[in-house]
Amino acid sequence: AQSVAQPEDQVNVAEGNPLTVKCTYSVSGNPYLFWYVQYPNRGLQFLLKYITGDNLVKGSYGFEAEFNKSQTSFHLKKPSALVSDSALYFCAVRGLTGGGNKLTFGTGTQLKVEL
Amino acid sequence: SAVISQKPSRDICQRGTSLTIQCQVDSQVTMMFWYRQQPGQSLTLIATANQGSEATYESGFVIDKFPISRPNLTFSTLTVSNMSPEDSSIYLCSVNGGAGSNTGELFFGEGSRLTVL
Repeated sequence: AQSVAQPEDQVNVAEGNPLTVKCTYSVSGNPYLFWYVQYPNRGLQFLLKYITGDNLVKGSYGFEAEFNKSQTSFHLKKPSALVSDSALYFCAVRGLTGGGNKLTFGTGTQLKVEL
Repeated sequence: SAVISQKPSRDICQRGTSLTIQCQVDSQVTMMFWYRQQPGQSLTLIATANQGSEATYESGFVIDKFPISRPNLTFSTLTVSNMSPEDSSIYLCSVNGGAGSNTGELFFGEGSRLTVL
């Protein structure tokens, strides 16, 4: 079975500072990995994905994520946080075998960026 | 990307009643997925809706409680039957791209926020 862990319920960071939101995964075979963002009272918006190739993936709104196979991690990063980045962030995984088209989501991390 | 419209966006329902949520996509898609997001929690897949066949339900979800229709490649409905306060959640429709697409990411509607009294 595939699973995702987001160890931090909340991350606080000052505007202009770098941010990291952590994610580790477990899946059979090679993974598809995703990050989504959810603003209050909204659906989920796709940020970025890792399928294959470069371990550093760049996505929307200046976010990037680094795939680390040995640590089974896919942490979300941004060099300089904005107050408008404050939202709920979900990591998700889909296995290439056995999982079909199902995405399994982590429990989410609330990012709070303060002035 | 796909544009997904859900109705209603929110509703307040009485215990014991049923509510049908509609999901319209602006392009033809092979599979549509229904997720539930309970307050303060992550997303849980309820079922996968395929056009022309019965929906495939995940463990813990049954057709009698969550009947799904998929009459064509751009539309699906999810009914939450005989509601109780425990059904208060956001219900999200999602698709994985156009017919034949297998890019992996899902696109989500804005969600339908149900409160059951």
